[in-house]
Amino acid sequence: QKEVEQDPGPLSVPEGAIVSLNCTYSNSAFQYFMWYRQYSRKGPELLMYTYSSGNKEDGRFTAQVDKSSKYISLFIRDSQPSDSATYLCAMSQNSGGSNYKLTFGKGTLLTVNP
Amino acid sequence: DAGVTQSPTHLIKTRGQQVTLRCSPKSGHDTVSWYQQALGQGPQFIFQYYEEEERQRGNFPDRFSGHQFPNYSSELNVNALLLGDSALYLCASSNTGSFQYFGAGTRLSVL
Repeated sequence: QKEVEQDPGPLSVPEGAIVSLNCTYSNSAFQYFMWYRQYSRKGPELLMYTYSSGNKEDGRFTAQVDKSSKYISLFIRDSQPSDSATYLCAMSQNSGGSNYKLTFGKGTLLTVNP
Repeated sequence: DAGVTQSPTHLIKTRGQQVTLRCSPKSGHDTVSWYQQALGQGPQFIFQYYEEEERQRGNFPDRFSGHQFPNYSSELNVNALLLGDSALYLCASSNTGSFQYFGAGTRLSVL
């Protein structure tokens, strides 16, 4: 079993739709949960991060972590064509900064159609 | 403020050759991590350098080696290239308490 599982999609939605992206994980030591966005032929860009369980909102984006279920989600409201990208979940046993490696999901390819 | 820069952008090599990829971290960052991203996959951790030493290593063979210089820049070396080494190689930089910021990557094709 992989440490992090993510449905690769692809996911295609109309503009304005609510998008739900999810990951499950098996390593109980993960404490920091991140979502990166990766446009075609670019490096991943940090979108949101959450520590332990709970919700975090930033504009049209909401990240949720349920450690009891080992399940994380990213919701995108009022999706725009510019949101079309691959979304990667990533997890770390600490800050995800200088001390520890990131473990990524496979990524979900999202297309928002005008 | 320049972000993480990687060079070259693209590289084509043949099996058995050796390759060196370069990374300059974001200003103020002292730690560099390298990841390999195969097509359709998420990035996989190769190793991390801090204070010019390898601090952590992922599940990659010894053919993959690295170096960090006093100015915090870093190199990734891959010897005896295999077809399966074809991938996007990503460098990420960070410092204590920060999150990792990625460069645009070097796309390596092994023929």
